Amino acid sequence: TQLLEQSPQFLSIQEGENLTVYCNSSSVFSSLQWYRQEPGEGPVLLVTVVTGGEVKKLKRLTFQFGDARKDSSLHITAAQTGDTGLYLCAGERGSNYKLTFGKGTLLTVNP
Amino acid sequence: GAGVSQSPSNKVTEKGKDVELRCDPISGHTALYWYRQRLGQGLEFLIYFQGNSAPDKSGLPSDRFSAERTGESVSTLTIQRTQQEDSAVYLCASSLQGADNSPLHFGNGTRLTVT
Repeated sequence: TQLLEQSPQFLSIQEGENLTVYCNSSSVFSSLQWYRQEPGEGPVLLVTVVTGGEVKKLKRLTFQFGDARKDSSLHITAAQTGDTGLYLCAGERGSNYKLTFGKGTLLTVNP
Repeated sequence: GAGVSQSPSNKVTEKGKDVELRCDPISGHTALYWYRQRLGQGLEFLIYFQGNSAPDKSGLPSDRFSAERTGESVSTLTIQRTQQEDSAVYLCASSLQGADNSPLHFGNGTRLTVT
């Protein structure tokens, strides 16, 4: 049973389009992290959300943590080819070392 | 170095052989983690070190897997009698103190292929 479900699994869009990817769970998390991973590299932390309903912005990326702290979304405005990568969400349930990762959304932004 | 360093970056081994994977964390980071990433799967927690101690080894898949850390620095993950299902990318991460919200810094991983 996958604790964190990410959707869609694959997404291919044109440069300039907007997109939203989702991270859902039936479990409550004390915090949730989003990472981006490029081929041949390790995941790089983008943001951590902690409070239910929290919204964080990172340039063209907007992250939201659900009110019940069970789900999160990542919205990208005017996608660029540099946004291409695997987007992973990871939930923490009281101990940072044992993050639960979703399988990720593989985003391809075409020129 | 500036980031987490892992070696080798790629390893191809025959089924039944032992392999050792190395991780050099960011200097001063007391917490160190090993994760496994299989193709099409999320990251799977293997083991966590705080200093040289491993309070949680529950993620190690079998007794063929072991890990150690020395000098509160370098860590090695050893897989004995490798099997084809061990093929994956093994990622190491470190963090400043292992406390809540202390961000993880990942290395680029070791891609292990067991033939």
